Amino acid sequence: GAVVSQHPSRVICKSGTSVKIECRSLDFQATTMFWYRQFPKQSLMLMATSNEGSKATYEQGVEKDKFLINHASLTLSTLTVTSAHPEDSSFYICSARGVGLTIYFGEGSWLTVV
Amino acid sequence: DAKTTQPPSMDCAEGRAANLPCNHSTISGNEYVYWYRQIHSQGPQYIIHGLKNNETNEMASLIITEDRKSSTLILPHATLRDTAVYYCIVRVGSGSSNTGKLIFGQGTTLQVKP
Repeated sequence: GAVVSQHPSRVICKSGTSVKIECRSLDFQATTMFWYRQFPKQSLMLMATSNEGSKATYEQGVEKDKFLINHASLTLSTLTVTSAHPEDSSFYICSARGVGLTIYFGEGSWLTVV
Repeated sequence: DAKTTQPPSMDCAEGRAANLPCNHSTISGNEYVYWYRQIHSQGPQYIIHGLKNNETNEMASLIITEDRKSSTLILPHATLRDTAVYYCIVRVGSGSSNTGKLIFGQGTTLQVKP
């Protein structure tokens, strides 16, 4: 299947700083990318949908000024967690859809805010 | 998107078929049934999807009832590596302005036992 890669896989940052997570589609062009967050023992929660070249659409309850999403090219989307706090510590997962219907997921990024 | 109902957990003996049920009684005519699985601390893995007809690939088979209100994912010969959380998701396909985002429920935790 198609490959979606996330970087970094694990990151630790200090409270109050910002951290950026990258999501790349390696062998296809992703017109739409999605960002999820998953807390331990819970399901994935959709945070936002990003379409290349346009502003992201955020799900209800997700702060767009805190979770900045950029989808500048057909193979790259980034999620920046601004002014991170310990409660932002979570598993962040991106997914990407090309011209077909199937959506492929990245390996996920563990964020720990200390 | 329509919601799905899955049993929270199931056990299966190694080498036997694992049959995972999913109810989606409010599914619309243009919504597909998708199955993903998530092995601990990894991103979800695409398994299979279908609209009306039964589908089979190298990983699994998908049986959709004639009224499309329920489906069953079949792993024909379960191995220990199939232990994971399995998610059944209904999603709008093509021909819609919806981006086709995947909304995850709680899924079924499948434990394959030796």
